[in-house]
Amino acid sequence: ETGVTQTPRHLVMGMTNKKSLKCEQHLGHNAMYWYKQSAKKPLELMFVYNFKEQTENNSVPSRFSPECPNSSHLFLHLHTLQPEDSALYLCASSQDLGTSGGAWADTQYFGPGTRLTVL
Amino acid sequence: AQSVTQLDSHVSVSEGTPVLLRCNYSSSYSPSLFWYVQHPNKGLQLLLKYTSAATLVKGINGFEAEFKKSETSFHLTKPSAHMSDAAEYFCVVSGPSGGYNKLIFGAGTRLAVHP
Repeated sequence: ETGVTQTPRHLVMGMTNKKSLKCEQHLGHNAMYWYKQSAKKPLELMFVYNFKEQTENNSVPSRFSPECPNSSHLFLHLHTLQPEDSALYLCASSQDLGTSGGAWADTQYFGPGTRLTVL
Repeated sequence: AQSVTQLDSHVSVSEGTPVLLRCNYSSSYSPSLFWYVQHPNKGLQLLLKYTSAATLVKGINGFEAEFKKSETSFHLTKPSAHMSDAAEYFCVVSGPSGGYNKLIFGAGTRLAVHP
C-alpha cells in the first residue's frame, strides 16, 4: 500500500454517461496529480494540483473536469467520453512540487489506478 | 529539457539469473532519477530514487541502480531474478518545468522471468 487509494478500480461507461473517479491520499502531501496510461503509449500527465490550486492542465479535453476540494482528495469528473478515452487513470501525490528543496519532496506515490472502459 | 530513454522494450531472463534494465537520461540540471515498477493491472510502485547522496542506490526487493554521470546512465540491476519480478519497469527523470519538478517517464521495459 502506498497511502494513495482510488475508487472505483474498474468502470465501464457509455459515451453519454457522467461518472467520477476519486483519489484520496493519506500521506499528508500537498500536491496531487492525474495521469492517463494508454496501451502502447507513455504515461501522460493530465492535471497537477498544489494546495488545492490547479497548476497545470496539460491540454486535456474539457470532457475531463478535475476537482480538488482539499489537499487529500482529488476527483476526475467524466462526461461524454469517447472510446479512445479508455485507459488506466492513475492518481499520484507528492509532498510538494519539488520547490521546497527537500530531496524527496517531488517523489510521487501512485494509487492503484482506475481501469476505465468507454463503450 | 529532460528526457529518458529505456534501451530495451522487453527483457527476458531465467529465474535466478541477473537482471539488467538499461536507462539513459538527458538533463540540463543535476537530475533526480527514479525507477518505478508496475505489475499487471496495478499502479506504479517506487523502487528507488537517486538524489545525489550516493551514486549506488539500493531499492526494495533487492534492486539497485548506479548513477553514472559520465555515461548519463541509470541502469537497474538485481543479482538474482525471481518470478515475482515479472512486471513493467519505468525509468523516470525529474526536472524543473513550469515552476515545478515534472516527472518524465521512459517508455517502459517489460521484464519476463522464466522458470
